Amino acid sequence: EAQVTQNPRYLITVTGKKLTVTCSQNMNHEYMSWYRQDPGLGLRQIYYSMNVEVTDKGDVPEGYKVSRKEKRNFPLILESPSPNQTSLYFCASSSRYNEQFFGPGTRLTVL
Amino acid sequence: AQSVTQPDIHITVSEGASLELRCNYSYGATPYLFWYVQSPGQGLQLLLKYFSGDTLVQGIKGFEAEFKRSQSSFNLRKPSVHWSDAAEYFCAVGENGGYQKVTFGTGTKLQVIP
Repeated sequence: EAQVTQNPRYLITVTGKKLTVTCSQNMNHEYMSWYRQDPGLGLRQIYYSMNVEVTDKGDVPEGYKVSRKEKRNFPLILESPSPNQTSLYFCASSSRYNEQFFGPGTRLTVL
Repeated sequence: AQSVTQPDIHITVSEGASLELRCNYSYGATPYLFWYVQSPGQGLQLLLKYFSGDTLVQGIKGFEAEFKRSQSSFNLRKPSVHWSDAAEYFCAVGENGGYQKVTFGTGTKLQVIP
């Protein structure tokens, strides 16, 4: 089944404790993105990747890192999480000239 | 910079009534436009997309949208709403084929009453 998977689905952590949210797709898509969703703000793009080792900033990259060492994986790294990064995070993937497929979301709470 | 405006935060319609959700975009070149739906506690599902060609686009679940370049709009319509359509709807615009930098609107929450 074609899908985008994210882990964990729920995470509660404390300020400053490094964490990684994994994202994996099995559709051989070149393009992958991370978004955060906050009430009243819709989805905002954090980072996107056009291919292995090629990434670029979206609209809200501050406080986040990404890497794309393999085509199928696009982890999101929060090296020093803060409470303002409490949010619902979505990973998405797509091929050229096609829509994005979204993962199920990761709900992160930073205390 | 590209942007998307969904002027209606919340809309309530009666079951069986028609629906139109508004979306206005700002983008300098040919836009790649999308409508997604998010049911409570769920991820996003694509309803329809416009890349080129016919400006009236048909999607899933009986939805359609019309691209109007002169008005920079991409409004979503459905002739008869079902209770299961209650959800949040997002319009989005993408550059360079729609698969790289994508900007979403803030969403419109649809409530359906019997």
